[in-house]
Amino acid sequence: QQQVKQSPQSLIVQKGGISIINCAYENTAFDYFPWYQQFPGKGPALLIAIRPDVSEKKEGRFTISFNKSAKQFSLHIMDSQPGDSATYFCAASLPGGSARQLTFGSGTQLTVLP
Amino acid sequence: AAGVIQSPRHLIKEKRETATLKCYPIPRHDTVYWYQQGPGQDPQFLISFYEKMQSDKGSIPDRFSAQQFSDYHSELNMSSLELGDSALYFCASTPNGRISGNTIYFGEGSWLTVV
Repeated sequence: QQQVKQSPQSLIVQKGGISIINCAYENTAFDYFPWYQQFPGKGPALLIAIRPDVSEKKEGRFTISFNKSAKQFSLHIMDSQPGDSATYFCAASLPGGSARQLTFGSGTQLTVLP
Repeated sequence: AAGVIQSPRHLIKEKRETATLKCYPIPRHDTVYWYQQGPGQDPQFLISFYEKMQSDKGSIPDRFSAQQFSDYHSELNMSSLELGDSALYFCASTPNGRISGNTIYFGEGSWLTVV
């Protein structure tokens, strides 16, 4: 059972447009929601993350919107650039004092056309 | 800044052989995670270590084992390799055993190809 569901699977956006990727989660105990960007052959790199007590977080062109009641969160990439073309993963993590693993979404392949 | 170092970056093994992947976490990071990512798949958690003890276990096959050493580096040992083990293996590290509130840093991965 996929605990974090991500859509769309692929996304094509024109340069300068807005890219929107959505994720939904099942477990209400998740308390940390990061987004990762991954280029081919590279490790995932953290883009931006949010906690459930915040409804929106913005860093540069990247914004996370969080809807706790709907158990959904989304990544918005404003003014999308060809260099943003990559695979994006949402993820979720449980709280706790010991080591925890991330549960990843299935990924979105973003292509930004020049 | 130092990042998570993984070696080897690429590895080709035959079926039924054994492979060992190494991970060197960021200095002062005491927690290491191993993930497996098949082609076109999302990363799947295998196992994690905190202060040299196994802390969590995910979908790691019984043919695989791992440990964390006194210098906090970790090794993933894979035996009786199968074609389906071909994947990108990521190591990640965090300080103080926590993810929430701390960035989890990934290495660039080790490509394992089983032929």
